[in-house]
Amino acid sequence: TQLLEQSPQFLSIQEGENLTVYCNSSSVFSSLQWYRQEPGEGPVLLVTVVTGGEVKKLKRLTFQFGDARKDSSLHITAAQPGDTGLYLCAGSSASKIIFGSGTRLSIRP
Amino acid sequence: DAGVTQSPTHLIKTRGQHVTLRCSPISGHKSVSWYQQVLGQGPQFIFQYYEKEERGRGNFPDRFSARQFPNYSSELNVNALLLGDSALYLCASSSIGQGGRETQYFGPGTRLLVL
Repeated sequence: TQLLEQSPQFLSIQEGENLTVYCNSSSVFSSLQWYRQEPGEGPVLLVTVVTGGEVKKLKRLTFQFGDARKDSSLHITAAQPGDTGLYLCAGSSASKIIFGSGTRLSIRP
Repeated sequence: DAGVTQSPTHLIKTRGQHVTLRCSPISGHKSVSWYQQVLGQGPQFIFQYYEKEERGRGNFPDRFSARQFPNYSSELNVNALLLGDSALYLCASSSIGQGGRETQYFGPGTRLLVL
């Protein structure tokens, strides 16, 4: 069974601080996606990473795919209250997409 | 262009009843996937349909079934509802991009409460 483990499960930090969220698996994925989900809404795609070692930047967010395509990280610089939400990683393999359990991020003003 | 739409937005049922959830994909998308998201967890894959054929199935009981219509919209059916079926049911439509890579776009979900 393929599993994606995210850590930490919960994170509450002060506005302006930096943070990193991790997504780990023992399985290899053909691609990995990061989503953000707000209460009452569906997940919104932030980025897709495909190549081992790939790094993508989206404003203050930096996403990295592990060399072996088994893990990924999301780094947020100078967090803002608008970054609050549930961050989900999802791995694509065969005809399935496997989601992690998410990291619930809260940014205090 | 409209995004993925789902109906109804909320639904209350009692144990043993049957429910049908509906999803309309983004125009031009031929693939629809269904997910169940229980409170506090990530979405769990239920089904994927592509060109009206089942392409993938998650680890859900036979009480869960789905189909895709010629216009690519989809229905998820759940029979003999259990309390544990209470969840947010998400639909995602996808297109096949460069290199066969799939990008999924999610609808707002249907929140089902089973009493």
